[in-house]
Amino acid sequence: SQQGEEDPQALSIQEGENATMNCSYKTSINNLQWYRQNSGRGLVHLILIRSNEREKHSGRLRVTLDTSKKSSSLLITASRAADTASYFCATRGNTGANSKLTFGKGITLSVRP
Amino acid sequence: GAGVSQSPSNKVTEKGKDVELRCDPISGHTALYWYRQSLGQGLEFLIYFQGNSAPDKSGLPSDRFSAERTGGSVSTLTIQRTQQEDSAVYLCASSLGTDVGEQYFGPGTRLTVT
Repeated sequence: SQQGEEDPQALSIQEGENATMNCSYKTSINNLQWYRQNSGRGLVHLILIRSNEREKHSGRLRVTLDTSKKSSSLLITASRAADTASYFCATRGNTGANSKLTFGKGITLSVRP
Repeated sequence: GAGVSQSPSNKVTEKGKDVELRCDPISGHTALYWYRQSLGQGLEFLIYFQGNSAPDKSGLPSDRFSAERTGGSVSTLTIQRTQQEDSAVYLCASSLGTDVGEQYFGPGTRLTVT
């Protein structure tokens, strides 16, 4: 079953605008990660936030985590056409069998030039 | 250094045939993961290896699916008696260990069962 669920399913914005994508999950986590996928092939890791962190930055990316609401958001500032891709959140459980990553269905981001 | 590689990149097979998909992880990565992604869907976890052992096989869809890893490196995912619903992109990822967060993905194998 899906752990992370992203919202919206699709997002279309103009170049230069900010893109905000949300992820909700159900069970307790060790960390939450965001990945990007181009053209339905391999995923690229973007950023990881641990359960004891609330906000993290990496370049134009900002991710927040609210463990009380079991939700995370990914903000891409000053978007570019090259940011067009699918974005997935993935959660990692705390122990044993939960140590695998569980992915959501993804958000399709289109950035119009 | 080289990233995760997978072969073949594309595979078309007839229903009922067996297929083998190969994954070469990043050198030194002890953990290896297999996922399946159907068109427009998220990633479905299949199995992961820590070294040569597979602590979690819970995602394998049926007993037609099996995987092995030898020498703590290369892994092979085998699908026997393929069905049309097996058509998907099969993605492999590796990480330094299961306690390390980031996974590095290969480009995937697109399997089409006709």
